[in-house]
Amino acid sequence: DIQMTQSPSFLSASVGDRVTINCKASQNINKYLNWYQQKLGEAPKLLIYNTNNLQTGIPSRFSGSGSGTDYTLTISSLQPEDVATYFCLQHSSRPWTFGGGTKLELK
Amino acid sequence: QVQLKETGPGLVQPTQTLSITCTVSDFSLTSYYMQWVRQTPGKGLEWMGFIRSGGSTEYNSEFKSRLSISRDTSKNQVFLKMNSLKTEDTGVYYCARGRSTEGIDYWGQGVMVTVSS
Repeated sequence: DIQMTQSPSFLSASVGDRVTINCKASQNINKYLNWYQQKLGEAPKLLIYNTNNLQTGIPSRFSGSGSGTDYTLTISSLQPEDVATYFCLQHSSRPWTFGGGTKLELK
Repeated sequence: QVQLKETGPGLVQPTQTLSITCTVSDFSLTSYYMQWVRQTPGKGLEWMGFIRSGGSTEYNSEFKSRLSISRDTSKNQVFLKMNSLKTEDTGVYYCARGRSTEGIDYWGQGVMVTVSS
């Protein structure tokens, strides 16, 4: 199984900050990497699919990059409504596997 | 709009069988893969398996022969059945929609399941 190592586990940042979250795969996942946002009590929401494709309706301050084994989610200017847990999913090979999550809070 | 809603028991006894129903709206089960994902305190998020748009299934070997996923397209429902439950199976169970080349795009709210006597 492909292991997904997500960092950091916890992140505190201020409104307007640039925030980056990373996922590292144990082998090449060929850009089959999605990012999700989960707010307390809500269903997870797809932000980015296949590394760098912004899901419809998601603000352009969210972006994704990466290749091979290393992938990054960037929030260009943190907003209060971005407080949530973020996690990645690799769907390159089954079983699909998830990162451990990053809890993002406002400083 | 696209909606997925899981319904199931809140409490299941060890060794018993878990049954959860996912009812979907605004899309056809014959056009998407439908998966089950769970989140447990011990292992975080785990992909359990899916039923393809054509009706075939694939499971995470982690769940070996305990898991069964099926569907009723006429009722827009997908089903999870997992037997021989253990306390470690306690967690939130999600159904989710997706495609093989794009992963998961929509999730249900999830249903909390506690395995305890």
